Amino acid sequence: SQQGEEDPQALSIQEGENATMNCSYKTSINNLQWYRQNSGRGLVHLILIRSNEREKHSGRLRVTLDTSKKSSSLLITASRAADTASYFCATGPIVQGAQKLVFGQGTRLTINP
Amino acid sequence: DTGVSQDPRHKITKRGQNVTFRCDPISEHNRLYWYRQTLGQGPEFLTYFQNEAQLEKSRLLSDRFSAERPKGSFSTLEIQRTEQGDSAMYLCASSSEPVLLYNEQFFGPGTRLTVL
Repeated sequence: SQQGEEDPQALSIQEGENATMNCSYKTSINNLQWYRQNSGRGLVHLILIRSNEREKHSGRLRVTLDTSKKSSSLLITASRAADTASYFCATGPIVQGAQKLVFGQGTRLTINP
Repeated sequence: DTGVSQDPRHKITKRGQNVTFRCDPISEHNRLYWYRQTLGQGPEFLTYFQNEAQLEKSRLLSDRFSAERPKGSFSTLEIQRTEQGDSAMYLCASSSEPVLLYNEQFFGPGTRLTVL
């Protein structure tokens, strides 16, 4: 079963604008990761934030994590048409040996030129 | 080595037939995962291997599903007596030994299965 829920389910913005996606999860986690998936293709890892971190940056990406609210956000600044994709958050296990990632349902992002 | 590869990329089959998918992980990765993704949903974990040992299986993996990784390198996922509900994208991922429970999983392009 899905652990996370992304919000919004779909987002459409103009090129150059910022896009913010949110993710909520249910159980305690060790880390949270964001992945991108272009239509009909595999997932590409974007960024990982550890449970003891609150914010992380990578290029045009900014991720925040609030473990007290069990939520995370992904901000993409200065969006480009190539950012059009589905974005998934995935939570990593807190238990040694349990290695599965638990994904949310994703946000479908469309960047309009 | 350019990443995780999966074969075939697309498979169309009739209900009741058996299908087998193959995954070749990144060569130095000892962990291999299978996920299933239905339309509009996020991937759901099916099973994972550490080397040749299958260490965890989801309850989604019914007795019609079997996965192997015989030599700790490539893996196969077989679905017997396919049903229309098996139609999905089957994703394979691999990772190296996690450090402090952190592991980035590298995904293949997936095999899209359509059961008619």
